[in-house]
Amino acid sequence: ETGVTQSPTHLIKTRGQQVTLRCSSQSGHNTVSWYQQALGQGPQFIFQYYREEENGRGNFPPRFSGLQFPNYSSELNVNALELDDSALYLCASSPPNGGGNEQFFGPGTRLTVL
Amino acid sequence: AQSVSQHNHHVILSEAASLELGCNYSYGGTVNLFWYVQYPGQHLQLLLKYFSGDPLVKGIKGFEAEFIKSKFSFNLRKPSVQWSDTAEYFCAVNGGNAGNMLTFGGGTRLMVKP
Repeated sequence: ETGVTQSPTHLIKTRGQQVTLRCSSQSGHNTVSWYQQALGQGPQFIFQYYREEENGRGNFPPRFSGLQFPNYSSELNVNALELDDSALYLCASSPPNGGGNEQFFGPGTRLTVL
Repeated sequence: AQSVSQHNHHVILSEAASLELGCNYSYGGTVNLFWYVQYPGQHLQLLLKYFSGDPLVKGIKGFEAEFIKSKFSFNLRKPSVQWSDTAEYFCAVNGGNAGNMLTFGGGTRLMVKP
């Protein structure tokens, strides 16, 4: 069974640029959530996707957007990057029967904004 | 809004010492509770979870946690730690009006001296 995978593993961008991060959910999982983990802090919920629709959003501005595809993989897009966007971005997937309660995390993408 | 507090930010123990990490959450409704662990260089992994039933939950690697509803607490314990338990530990909660969104505490960094 393949776990959650994310790409790329590391990324360096400059302020004002745009970035797209990718996530492949674990086999059989149909719900994907994204989290931002700043250095020394716990992960913070960005949003969740279920059946290709946004299904809940945390306290993040609209320049954070996402997509989910028919194969349940997902993208996180961040526009107009700011220095404070530097963080580890985590993707988590959930199985259908779990109702999204148990989430399985990928290794993350470390984004550095200069 | 839900919040999760982990009171110990850094803990240093010698091997064979007992461990207890504190976790308190703010939401008074029905919640699901989790402890995740992040070993150095690895992704977040689920240690244990509480959905309902017996408030004493046993997880992997000899960890256990006790849900005390009256205290809004879900403390993590291990009778005898090993050097390989060196990691960062995160308490998380979801449920109620926050739905499937996981709210994490700030984490506790545990170092076990051999």
